[in-house]
Amino acid sequence: TQLLEQSPQFLSIQEGENLTVYCNSSSVFSSLQWYRQEPGEGPVLLVTVVTGGEVKKLKRLTFQFGDARKDSSLHITAAQPGDTGLYLCAGARETSGSRLTFGEGTQLTVNP
Amino acid sequence: KAGVTQTPRYLIKTRGQQVTLSCSPISGHRSVSWYQQTPGQGLQFLFEYFSETQRNKGNFPGRFSGRQFSNSRSEMNVSTLELGDSALYLCASSFRPTGTGAYEQYFGPGTRLTVT
Repeated sequence: TQLLEQSPQFLSIQEGENLTVYCNSSSVFSSLQWYRQEPGEGPVLLVTVVTGGEVKKLKRLTFQFGDARKDSSLHITAAQPGDTGLYLCAGARETSGSRLTFGEGTQLTVNP
Repeated sequence: KAGVTQTPRYLIKTRGQQVTLSCSPISGHRSVSWYQQTPGQGLQFLFEYFSETQRNKGNFPGRFSGRQFSNSRSEMNVSTLELGDSALYLCASSFRPTGTGAYEQYFGPGTRLTVT
């Protein structure tokens, strides 16, 4: 059972376009994290959101945690080829230590 | 600070053999988690160790085991390897910043295991 549904699974866009990746669940998470992974490497933490409704910005990336802490989104403005990679959302629960439940990932390709 | 290191980076084993993978966390991090990543299943949680004790365990068979040493270094072992165990095995070193309540996880580069 996949507790975190990510969409879309694949996204191929042109440089300069905007995009949004969604991460949805029927479960409540105490925090949600977004990672980016490149081939042959481990995921790299981009952001952690912990409060319902929280919005965080990292340069051209905007992350939002849903009010009910069941969903999240990642918006990229003016995508660049360097943004290409696998984007993963991961949820944590208070009673589960550092255990994360991952979404399936969104493979983003930004073409020059 | 040095990042999370995993050894070896690549391994090829045959069915029925066993394998041991090693992970050195970031200095000062006491929690180490292991994940299996495959194209079909994505990242699946194996187990977490904190201060030498297994704190969480995922839904994997008993062939998968792990341990943590007093210096926080961790190993995982897979016995009686099956073809389906071919995957990228990732180790994550975690700490909880004061006041956030959320762990931040830092992943190593992984060990690519191929079972033939």
